[in-house]
Order: sequence, then C-alpha cells, then structure tokens
Amino acid sequence: AQTVTQSQPEMSVQEAETVTLSCTYDTSESDYYLFWYKQPPSRQMILVIRQEAYKQQNATENRFSVNFQKAAKSFSLKISDSQLGDAAMYFCAYYAGNQFYFGTGTSLTVIP
Amino acid sequence: DSGVTQTPKHLITATGQRVTLRCSPRSGDLSVYWYQQSLDQGLQFLIQYYNGEERAKGNILERFSAQQFPDLHSELNLSSLELGDSALYFCASSRDGQVVPNQPQHFGDGTRLSIL
Repeated sequence: AQTVTQSQPEMSVQEAETVTLSCTYDTSESDYYLFWYKQPPSRQMILVIRQEAYKQQNATENRFSVNFQKAAKSFSLKISDSQLGDAAMYFCAYYAGNQFYFGTGTSLTVIP
Repeated sequence: DSGVTQTPKHLITATGQRVTLRCSPRSGDLSVYWYQQSLDQGLQFLIQYYNGEERAKGNILERFSAQQFPDLHSELNLSSLELGDSALYFCASSRDGQVVPNQPQHFGDGTRLSIL
C-alpha cells in the first residue's frame, strides 16, 4: 500500500531564514510523481512544486526546492528566505496509477 | 483564482440527509477530482472523472457517488449523512486524464459541509 508520512505536525521559522519540511513515502511503483501543496488560511490548495520520480535532478521553483532521495523514499521541501506569506499548512503528495495519496500535513508558522 | 468553481461554499445539514456538491472545472480541463479533508483523516482522494467517465476511485464510501456531465461539470452526492462526514470537500481539475508535471491539478476553494 502506498502511504505518505509527514513526521512534523508543526514547524516554525524566522522570517528570511530557511526551513525544511520532511516527507517520506512508501511505494512499490517505479513510475510516480511527488508534489508539495500549500494550504493557506483561505483553505485553497496551491501547488508549490512537483517532481517526477524518474528524474534525478531536484526540482526548484524560486525559493522552493526539494531534496528527492529515491532510494530512501524521501522528498523534503526547503523554503529559503521565508516570508510571512509562506505561513500555511503544507501537504506532501504522491501520485501513481491515477491515485493521489496525501500526508497529514505540516503547519508552518513564520515568525516576523 | 484557480478557475475551478465549487458551490455551495458552506452547507449545514442533519444526519441522515442527502446533499449534492457541485464543481465546475477550469475551462479546457477534462478531468475532475474530488477530495475530502477532515480533521482526523487529513486529505483523502475520493474519485476522478475524465470526460464524463469514472477514471479512478480512491477512498470513497458507498454512500457517496459522483458523476461528470457532458458540459464537464461534476457533482458529488453524499447520502445517509453521518457526523463523521463533516469535512471540507475539494474539487480539482486537470487538462488530461492523468496528472503529469506540466499539467497540475487546480483546486477549487472547497465546500465546507457541517453535519449537525
């Protein structure tokens, strides 16, 4: 069975600092995709970054980057130069075979 | 604004009742996905429709059903409602039947369902 684990229910970071959110997953699939979604207080789900499992290069989107360790089944999100607007719930997600699996989320607080 | 429209935004009803949630996908998107986000179970994928046909099924209860109409809007029907069905229900859409990195899902704002 596929599962996604986010072991950090809550994290905090000082504004302008860097924070890393952890995610591990379990799968027997060889072809899959991984995502990080952000859910601000407005409750909408916003795609932050995505990674194809077959690509070794880590995805980067501006201040957001991932550390994808396929053998370890780890997919962490690094947020650099944290901003107040980054405060949100972050969900790690795994997709394969037309199915999405989400972690339980990490609530990120940004301290001014 | 993601372009995905969900109605109603809030719904309050009683146990045993039936409700219908509606979703209009982004223009040009053929796939619609439904998710349930509850406090105790997090975000769970329920079901996907592509161009009117069921494409994938996740953790959807038998009391729940969905369909996608010729105009591509979708409805999620929840019946015999229980207290545990209280949750935020999201709809998302994507261009194709399979999610690929350059065609991500676009989420609506969700429908908050409260069962009293």
